[in-house]
Amino acid sequence: QITLKESGPTLVKPTQTLTLTCTFSGFSLSTSGVGVGWIRQPPGKALEWLALIYWDDDKRYSPSLKSRLTITKDTSKNQVVLTMTNMDPVDTATYYCAHRPPYSSSVDFDSWGQGTLVTVSS
Amino acid sequence: QSALTQPASVSGSLGQSITISCTGTSSDVGGYDYVSWYQQHPGKAPKLMIYDVSNRPSGVSNRFSGSKSGNTASLTISGLQAEDEADYYCSSYTRSSTLVFGGGTKLTVL
Repeated sequence: QITLKESGPTLVKPTQTLTLTCTFSGFSLSTSGVGVGWIRQPPGKALEWLALIYWDDDKRYSPSLKSRLTITKDTSKNQVVLTMTNMDPVDTATYYCAHRPPYSSSVDFDSWGQGTLVTVSS
Repeated sequence: QSALTQPASVSGSLGQSITISCTGTSSDVGGYDYVSWYQQHPGKAPKLMIYDVSNRPSGVSNRFSGSKSGNTASLTISGLQAEDEADYYCSSYTRSSTLVFGGGTKLTVL
């Protein structure tokens, strides 16, 4: 059974850097084809894809946020970390991490964490 | 990259069928057979319902089906049930090897 859980601060101040950790079980990020992605959803709004890291350490970022995002993995700890710099109130959202299955031909997420709400406010 | 275009809302009666459209460009929806659909109930994480345009993950009802024509993909739900009431999002792989989501569609079951 695959599980993922996001952790990190619930409140950050404008201009600060957000660091979120996704801790997962039930799969290995060293398995060929596997990936872990981050997706966010502002309250009452649509999903927005942020970043994805593959088993081979290939990384992809949303073009609109690329300059602010960094995604890394620690395979031994079963964790993926996302950092987002220069946080702004418009970045207030629920942040999800999700599993990209090895059978995927592109970018699909078949298992999701419960999400963590991050509020940006002074 | 711009978000894919979905209708804000659709509705249908119990037992009927509905279709949700998802329009992109030749750089995403039209360029690849890599469109996915997610269902999201209030306060819950999204659930993958369709991948690669028309494939259903194990455990997803065959009442859900997907298709694509040109730059527009579609999700059809047949035999509407009360539990189908949710938000639905499409997503597509892009020419830049990234992912883009649609704006979401709220499905109301009457």
